[in-house]
Amino acid sequence: EAGVTQSPTHLIKTRGQQVTLRCSPISGHTSVYWYQQALGLGLQFLLWYDEGEERNRGNFPPRFSGRQFPNYSSELNVNALELEDSALYLCASSLAGQHSPDTQYFGPGTRLTVL
Amino acid sequence: DAKTTQPTSMDCAEGRAANLPCNHSTISGNEYVYWYRQIHSQGPQYIIHGLKNNETNEMASLIITEDRKSSTLILPHATLRDTAVYYCIVRVTNTGNQFYFGTGTSLTVIP
Repeated sequence: EAGVTQSPTHLIKTRGQQVTLRCSPISGHTSVYWYQQALGLGLQFLLWYDEGEERNRGNFPPRFSGRQFPNYSSELNVNALELEDSALYLCASSLAGQHSPDTQYFGPGTRLTVL
Repeated sequence: DAKTTQPTSMDCAEGRAANLPCNHSTISGNEYVYWYRQIHSQGPQYIIHGLKNNETNEMASLIITEDRKSSTLILPHATLRDTAVYYCIVRVTNTGNQFYFGTGTSLTVIP
């Protein structure tokens, strides 16, 4: 069974640009989560999508946004990139939604560098 | 979610058991204990989770104390590939479903 996949693997952008990161969950998983991991820091929760709806977001500005498609894949969009947005962006998926214990399975991440 | 406390770093000899402790003294009755690990610059890998009882799978064993205020992840025969940062997370399911990752324990397996 294929795991969580993310694209692209690496990305280099300049300040002020916009970027879109993509995530495909494990087949059958309906929940997708996005995390940011800046260099040397822990994972910070960004967004949670379940059944096509945004269920929760972390403490990030509105220029971080995303969506989940009917096939449960997801995009993370970051507008007006800043240098501190340079990080590893991780996507995770889980089988259950809001009401059951679930295990999140992570993808390999997208390394974003903002120059 | 309850806060966890883990040692910053640990060493373990290759072939020996690695015992990684975690304190979660404020854990609630409905919070699960999860363990993940992250090998350098890769996505975190799920290891194991439990609520009250000890758990074992092909990767590791999880020992939870009777009062649930602490737990230990045991890697029975550590290999060099087990060198990673190990995260202990306690989590209830109805708080946005995100995991709160702390700083974890950096485990180095020594040849």
